[in-house]
Amino acid sequence: QPVLTQPPSASASLGASVTLTCTLSSGYSDYKVDWYQQRPGKGPRFVMRVGTGGIVGPMGDGIPDRFSVLGSGLNRYLTIKNIQEEDESDYYCGADHGSGNDFLWVFGGGTKLTVL
Amino acid sequence: QVQLVQSGAEVKKPGASVKVSCKASRFSFDSRGISWLRQAPGQGLEWMGWISANNGHTSYAQKFQDRVTMTTDTSTNTAYMEMRSLRSDDTAVYFCARIRRFQTEQWLAPWGQGTLVTVSS
Repeated sequence: QPVLTQPPSASASLGASVTLTCTLSSGYSDYKVDWYQQRPGKGPRFVMRVGTGGIVGPMGDGIPDRFSVLGSGLNRYLTIKNIQEEDESDYYCGADHGSGNDFLWVFGGGTKLTVL
Repeated sequence: QVQLVQSGAEVKKPGASVKVSCKASRFSFDSRGISWLRQAPGQGLEWMGWISANNGHTSYAQKFQDRVTMTTDTSTNTAYMEMRSLRSDDTAVYFCARIRRFQTEQWLAPWGQGTLVTVSS
């Protein structure tokens, strides 16, 4: 199964842009990854799914179009433009592995985004 | 929109069992099933397993196979996760999440609000 690696922290100033990275382990370059946002004290919220061709399917409910994704090689990126205070959250990437009824989900360790 | 509402916080002693519920606001045909995950204090997300919305098929992470049972009650659109032989390191917030199906893809949306389970003597 893949291993997903995320830097533990990132920061950006209000109104600026930031790109968060999720790196798949070797051999899994064709995998799609989901991004989830978790605000303090809340359950995670699906942001969007990304493969090497970009976004897969629709964005999550209520996700503003300031959020976008890209995929290249083993990396899957989440970019947030015009950062707002409400974007300060933990961001997790996750991937499902397997087929049919035999699958599991793995997650990266999360990136804590601080809005300065 | 489907919403998932979970049962309230629980405090259990080591060795006890806990059963957490997750009620969906309505049945959704684009649901493949329900996944359960947990998050220990200050830690990341850990996937525990899933249960099919169609036939009740379950699949558990190897770590939880011996201690967890996931069930559903289709008459009330409610999913349950029961964990036995609780230990202190099972203290965590437990989440349910719908497995949303889109063409050949799937992801977890929405999530419940979480249920804190505290295991302490």
